[in-house]
Amino acid sequence: SQKIEQNSEALNIQEGKTATLTCNYTNYSPAYLQWYRQDPGRGPVFLLLIRENEKEKRKERLKVTFDTTLKQSLFHITASQPADSATYLCALSSGNTPLVFGKGTRLSVIA
Amino acid sequence: KAGVTQTPRYLIKTRGQQVTLSCSPISGHRSVSWYQQTPGQGLQFLFEYFSETQRNKGNFPGRFSGRQFSNSRSEMNVSTLELGDSALYLCASSPRGPSSGNTIYFGEGSWLTVV
Repeated sequence: SQKIEQNSEALNIQEGKTATLTCNYTNYSPAYLQWYRQDPGRGPVFLLLIRENEKEKRKERLKVTFDTTLKQSLFHITASQPADSATYLCALSSGNTPLVFGKGTRLSVIA
Repeated sequence: KAGVTQTPRYLIKTRGQQVTLSCSPISGHRSVSWYQQTPGQGLQFLFEYFSETQRNKGNFPGRFSGRQFSNSRSEMNVSTLELGDSALYLCASSPRGPSSGNTIYFGEGSWLTVV
């Protein structure tokens, strides 16, 4: 069956360091992979979208990579700040299918 | 442009009752998706509507139903509520739907507690 796994439930890092979050998938051929941020009690907010034929996408301090051979996406936040603390969700869609989400990684950036 | 609006924001219902949740998408968006979020299961897809037609359906029992109106507003209904239906119900809209590579925009959700 299709499965999306985000490497860890929680990740703590020091302010100023680079946070790296992992999203792995099995039994899936996604056309698009998206990353969302969710703060407690709020709906998820879109961050970045990457297509299957793209290797890397950047937006300000954010970078996403997409390796369809490894079936993995990496999400990086450089120069992390306490305001980056949130849960980050990866989501996949292929063809005519709905967007399917991983369970998320809760990132805490410690000052 | 106003965002996705969900009502009510919070509600408490008793086992066996039914509930209707409402979603107003971003103006011009024709696709509305519904998700259930719980701590254990994460975000689980319920259904997607596009131009009043259900385009995709998740793996939920028939007690969960939805519809979309001609103005793209959507409602979801849960009948015969169970304790396990307690969750955050999220609505998301997009111009043509996530299967077209669209970003989806979430509302703030409706918190349902079943007692």
